[in-house]
Amino acid sequence: GENVEQHPSTLSVQEGDSAVIKCTYSDSASNYFPWYKQELGKRPQLIIDIRSNVGEKKDQRIAVTLNKTAKHFSLHITETQPEDSAVYFCAASGFSGGYQKVTFGIGTKLQVIP
Amino acid sequence: GAVVSQHPSRVICKSGTSVKIECRSLDFQATTMFWYRQFPKKSLMLMATSNEGSKATYEQGVEKDKFLINHASLTLSTLTVTSAHPEDSSFYICSASQSLETQYFGPGTRLLVL
Repeated sequence: GENVEQHPSTLSVQEGDSAVIKCTYSDSASNYFPWYKQELGKRPQLIIDIRSNVGEKKDQRIAVTLNKTAKHFSLHITETQPEDSAVYFCAASGFSGGYQKVTFGIGTKLQVIP
Repeated sequence: GAVVSQHPSRVICKSGTSVKIECRSLDFQATTMFWYRQFPKKSLMLMATSNEGSKATYEQGVEKDKFLINHASLTLSTLTVTSAHPEDSSFYICSASQSLETQYFGPGTRLLVL
């Protein structure tokens, strides 16, 4: 089955600096890669996603890159703000055995220091 | 748009009893719903995938007779934890998907089994 590795598990950055979270996946059939932000005690919220036919996607301060050959994708947050502090999960999704399957990374706890 | 509700938000029950958790997509029809379990400071663990009108597909290691899933309509899926034990105490989160890719998460249900 799919295996998603995510690192780092914790990340502290100064406000205004950039943060990068990296994930690798194992199943070449995965073709959709969402990123979720989960604030303490709240539900995960989709912040950005990328499909396998695209190499990069950007939405304001957030960008995601995908390298299909190497099977890794990354989340980039620029000009970090204290409200960016949360746990971020990457995921790899694709059809397997006739149904949609999604596997999450372990999460990265991002702390933005004012 | 894309609001998912979950009920109850928290429940305390005695060991041996059954607990039902509801997941509803409020403003869209969800062809697929997912059920996750999340341990403190851990990632989301996919338990099962359910499609409206068909049997749920359980992940390896998840007991289908213990975690009963019913996806009766395009807006409602239920998870019943049967004969609950303290080790079943956890945070259960559902998500709903219309496009077979993007998932929208419910707020979660915190279950405590005494």
